Parts: sequence; structure tokens; C-alpha cells
Amino acid sequence: DTEVTQTPKHLVMGMTNKKSLKCEQHMGHRAMYWYKQKAKKPPELMFVYSYEKLSINESVPSRFSPECPNSSLLNLHLHALQPEDSALYLCASSQEAGEAPLHFGNGTRLTVT
Amino acid sequence: DAKTTQPPSMDCAEGRAANLPCNHSTISGNEYVYWYRQIHSQGPQYIIHGLKNNETNEMASLIITEDRKSSTLILPHATLRDTAVYYCIVRVAISQNFVFGPGTRLSVLP
Repeated sequence: DTEVTQTPKHLVMGMTNKKSLKCEQHMGHRAMYWYKQKAKKPPELMFVYSYEKLSINESVPSRFSPECPNSSLLNLHLHALQPEDSALYLCASSQEAGEAPLHFGNGTRLTVT
Repeated sequence: DAKTTQPPSMDCAEGRAANLPCNHSTISGNEYVYWYRQIHSQGPQYIIHGLKNNETNEMASLIITEDRKSSTLILPHATLRDTAVYYCIVRVAISQNFVFGPGTRLSVLP
């Protein structure tokens, strides 16, 4: 079991849909991360939030919109995605931004049709 | 952050020690070596990290060469549940970006 909970586990959406991925942690961590992982590839960083403020955006297209409503929650809003956006989306948290270790959730497997 | 090189795959017999190498020849003095693993259909899991001394915890041991240009992760008694992709990451302590390389796919065989 992981201390970072991601919902839903699986999501299928059309290219015109709007959906959201959710991530929650109750370890008191002040940094939260979104990673994207394509099949048989390593995870790639998308966003970092530190104290509920966006601190890193790795040039992610605007069809991905992150939100950190409080220190325990992290959302990723999806709109007008492309089939190539199909991937495993991983959320992670750490005590402070840049501080190891990262604690990962088990991800949301997204399929865009 | 320094680049790392790992073999793409390795096999290990169940019950034997698994020794996973990582080269990081351009590592600088303030960069740490981290190891994570990712079991199929799960998120990456932290294993261990170190700066220059060898480290051991309940999961594994980390051996870092004296010149710090390479390291080895040792799983002392591999089990089938250790089958996973193992990632070696080198980063400065305050960097917010953990950059994952391709990793080593370890298969533990019965």
C-alpha cells in the first residue's frame, strides 16, 4: 500500500472531454509532483508544487492544468487531450521540494481515444 | 544533474545477491546517488541514497566507489518480488527534479 492515493486508477476519455486526476497525501508533506510515464519509459517530471504554489512547469502543454487546493491535495485537470497523451500519470510528495525521498502513488492509467 | 548509465537488464537467481551497477562518472561533489525501483503497475519506490559513504537499510546496501564515479546497489537475498526496474539517480540535494534514466530491468528467476 502507498501513502499517496491517486484516483481514478484507470480513465478513458475522448479528445473533447474534460476530466481531472486527483492525488492525496496525509503525511504533512509540503511538496507535490506530477510525473508522466509512457510505456516502457522512465517517469518524466511535469509539475512541482511547493507550499501550494507552482514552482516548476516542465514546459507542459496548457491542455494539462495542475491545481493544488491545499497541502494535501493535488489535481491535474485535462482538456482537449490527444491520443499521444495516453500514459501513466504519477503523483508524488516529499517533505519539502527537492527533499528525498519522493513517495509515489500507483498512478492513473489514462487512455485518450 | 550528472548523467547515469545502467545496464538495460539483468537476471538473478532467487536467494542470491543481486548486484546492480550504476556509472556516474561526471558526478560532482554535492550530488547524491539515489536508487528507486518500480514494480510492474506500481509507482516508483524509494530504496536508498548516499553521498560518499556506503549505506545499508532494511531493503538494500549501497556501495559507492572512493572516486564516486560508480556505485552498486546490492539486494542481499533476492526474491521473486524484487523483479522490477531499478533506477539510479544522481542529483544535487536541493534540486526539485528527480530525473529518471532508463534503469535496469531486474528479473529474479526461480
